Formats: sequence, structure tokens, C-alpha cells
Amino acid sequence: EPEVTQTPSHQVTQMGQEVILRCVPISNHLYFYWYRQILGQKVEFLVSFYNNEISEKSEIFDDQFSVERPDGSNFTLKIRSTKLEDSAMYFCASSDDPGGKLFFGSGTQLSVL
Amino acid sequence: GQQVMQIPQYQHVQEGEDFTTYCNSSTTLSNIQWYKQRPGGHPVFLIQLVKSGEVKKQKRLTFQFGEAKKNSSLHITATQTTDVGTYFCAPNYGGSQGNLIFGKGTKLSVKP
Repeated sequence: EPEVTQTPSHQVTQMGQEVILRCVPISNHLYFYWYRQILGQKVEFLVSFYNNEISEKSEIFDDQFSVERPDGSNFTLKIRSTKLEDSAMYFCASSDDPGGKLFFGSGTQLSVL
Repeated sequence: GQQVMQIPQYQHVQEGEDFTTYCNSSTTLSNIQWYKQRPGGHPVFLIQLVKSGEVKKQKRLTFQFGEAKKNSSLHITATQTTDVGTYFCAPNYGGSQGNLIFGKGTKLSVKP
């Protein structure tokens, strides 16, 4: 079965540094998402992306966050100046149907020190 | 904002016992999906329910969508240790992109 791939699997950074989390969605999917999960808590929606623009974003997705699809295959999440509370597992997901089945990547565990 | 309540938060069962998790919304849903997340893993899609009163089965798993499309349940018959994980409901309230907002999940542990 096709997979969503995410790199890196782990990222450790200092507070205030910029990080870029990378995702390669499934090739024929058009809808892309970022979610995050703080350890032991629920999966929280961050942002959805379609047709090269943000469709919807949550309150968590403030000005420190941005997403980009720099080419035909990658989908990135940038955090400009990381805070301690940004430490979480970040999941990328894609779908071929809005509101349909989501395929999740294995996640990037971000640790902000 | 729109929220869904998922209960219980935790469930510990003996292997062979049944398990049920419930998802309740105050507003009518367009559809609802269920996901399973194994410890240390990522959410994996289980099912999508669309129709009022719909019941779907996957081996030992039975999924139901309420008549009013405001609640849903997942029932596992005769749990096995492989059922361990967190089960999330993800209601879809409609809208152009149909973004899924996950419930808090029910963490299932199974004692052999």
C-alpha cells in the first residue's frame, strides 16, 4: 500500500531555532494535513492544504507556523522560532478526497530544549 | 468550537472480554471515521460511517452510527492482545475541506 513518508523521524532543537519538518504525501493525493500529538494526548489538527494554499488552520497554527509545497512531491511544515511547548509528535497526512480517509505518516518527534 | 466527547478515556480488560468506546457530538455529523493508534505508532484508518443508523463489521469489530448522526460506537468482541492501542473517533462536520477533528481517544489495554 502507498505510504506517506516523513523526515526526520526525530528532531532535537534549541528554543528559538527554526525547524522544517518534511513530508512526502501519497503521489495522487491532493489534500494535505498536519496534525500534532503531545505525548499521551489526542491528535490535534493544525492545518489543511489544497491547491497550493491553506484551506483551514486551527488556533494552534499561529504566525510561527507555515506550510509549503515547494515542488510536486514535498509538503513541509516550518516553525520559525520554536518554543518548549512545540515539543510533540508531528504527523503529516494526505487524502484523495476532502473529508475522506486520511493516510498518516510515521511522524516526526520534535523535542525543543 | 465543535467538539466531540469520547468515553471512556481508559479501559482495561482481560483478554477475551468485550470492549466498547463511544463518541458523542452535540451537533449532527456529516460522517465519522475511526482510527487506531498502536503504542508508538501513527493513527491508522479503520472505517468511515456515513448513513444514519449504519452498522459495519470488520471481523471482531462492530461500528455503529446513530440514527440522529450525533453519536457512534466501536465494539470489539473477545479482545485480544493485538487490540491494544488508542481508538480515536474523528467526526466530520462537513464544510469544503471536511477537516477531521479527533476525539480524545480511548486507550485500551488487554491483560493476557
